[in-house]
Amino acid sequence: EVQLVESGGGLVQPGDSLTLSCVASGFAFRSYSMLWVRQAPGGGLEWVSSMSSSGSDTRDKHYAASVKGRFTISRNNSGNTLYLRLNSLTADDTAIYYCAKWGNGAYIHSWGQGTRVTVSS
Amino acid sequence: QSALTQPRSVSGSPGQSVTISCTGTSSDVGRYNFVSWYQQHPVRGPKLLIYDVSQRPSGVPDRFSGSKSGNTASLTISGLQADDEADYHCCSYTGPYWLFGGGTRLTVL
Repeated sequence: EVQLVESGGGLVQPGDSLTLSCVASGFAFRSYSMLWVRQAPGGGLEWVSSMSSSGSDTRDKHYAASVKGRFTISRNNSGNTLYLRLNSLTADDTAIYYCAKWGNGAYIHSWGQGTRVTVSS
Repeated sequence: QSALTQPRSVSGSPGQSVTISCTGTSSDVGRYNFVSWYQQHPVRGPKLLIYDVSQRPSGVPDRFSGSKSGNTASLTISGLQADDEADYHCCSYTGPYWLFGGGTRLTVL
């Protein structure tokens, strides 16, 4: 069974930084592209970032316009862990952040339970 | 790229059918058959329901079906059950970007 467990969220001030982690199990992590998707309070889902299985090239990483230049996605295949570094946080970044496994096609196969990030002074 | 458009809410009685629409443009929904749908119960992560417009993953009941016409995709849930009460999100992949709708709250009366 696929399991994705996020951690690292919390309450931070505007301008602060944070690193989210997602530990994966139940599948061959190193073989799958992965994503981060967020959900603002009372809102819909918003794609944040995605990266290929190897992530060895910057062209293998993609970001939404709203976070490009501030967020960085990375992964450790030997540790089955996906990361998201969040810099220069603003109130608009307040959301639940979900780690997700790319399916064998253009869809998201599995999602974690999410980790909450709140940006407030 | 703008988010896809979904109705904020729909409702139906047990046993009835409901359809949730998802409208995009000729650059996303209308161009590719990469539309997927996700069900989300409160305080839980989303779950894949439909992919590639109309394909069901194993384990998803055939009460859930998907279709597309032009720039609008649709999710139909037949034989409504109490446990179907949840939020439903559509998604269009337009490599390398993923576009989501605003989500639709389904209430089972």
